Amino acid sequence: AAGVIQSPRHLIKEKRETATLKCYPIPRHDTVYWYQQGPGQDPQFLISFYEKMQSDKGSIPDRFSAQQFSDYHSELNMSSLELGDSALYFCASSSRDRGGKLFFGSGTQLSVL
Amino acid sequence: AQSVTQLDSHVSVSEGTPVLLRCNYSSSYSPSLFWYVQHPNKGLQLLLKYTSAATLVKGINGFEAEFKKSETSFHLTKPSAHMSDAAEYFCVVSDPASGTYKYIFGTGTRLKVLA
Repeated sequence: AAGVIQSPRHLIKEKRETATLKCYPIPRHDTVYWYQQGPGQDPQFLISFYEKMQSDKGSIPDRFSAQQFSDYHSELNMSSLELGDSALYFCASSSRDRGGKLFFGSGTQLSVL
Repeated sequence: AQSVTQLDSHVSVSEGTPVLLRCNYSSSYSPSLFWYVQHPNKGLQLLLKYTSAATLVKGINGFEAEFKKSETSFHLTKPSAHMSDAAEYFCVVSDPASGTYKYIFGTGTRLKVLA
């Protein structure tokens, strides 16, 4: 069965650079959530999209933006990267028609040097 | 390698009766274990976490879980179910010794509470 796909798996950037993380939800899922998990920390909700519109917003910095495209994949754009942005970023997808259960991707490990 | 297995994909209980959601884990070292709840069409909320302190962990909304190393289990319980407990529950394992702090999510248990 298809799962949530995230790319890249690992990403190394330098301070002040930009990064784009991609999330491909399970087919026919209409909702995507983004989470940030710093070393030794619990996941923090960043943002979610439903039917290509932002549905909820968490602790996402202003330097970050995200969108969901017509094919329902989502991209998290991160600019002016800081050392503190080093974290695991994972996304989850769900289908509202099927109860909204979350399915998780494996995450993108971002390291900012 | 770490893994987590939630033994029941669906659990139904009557309001006022006890809740038991089962979770077994596999980890090469002393893991950290968590339970998260997801209400319909919402994000995750942390219920409780075990990080090698007391084996009986109390969480929010009357939930608790007991870490049993000999059984590699971390079952979630609540003495009396409430209608508002109806949600999806995820058991999560993390192995700090691995250095990655990566969470491994279980496949979830859907709790249904009957009036």
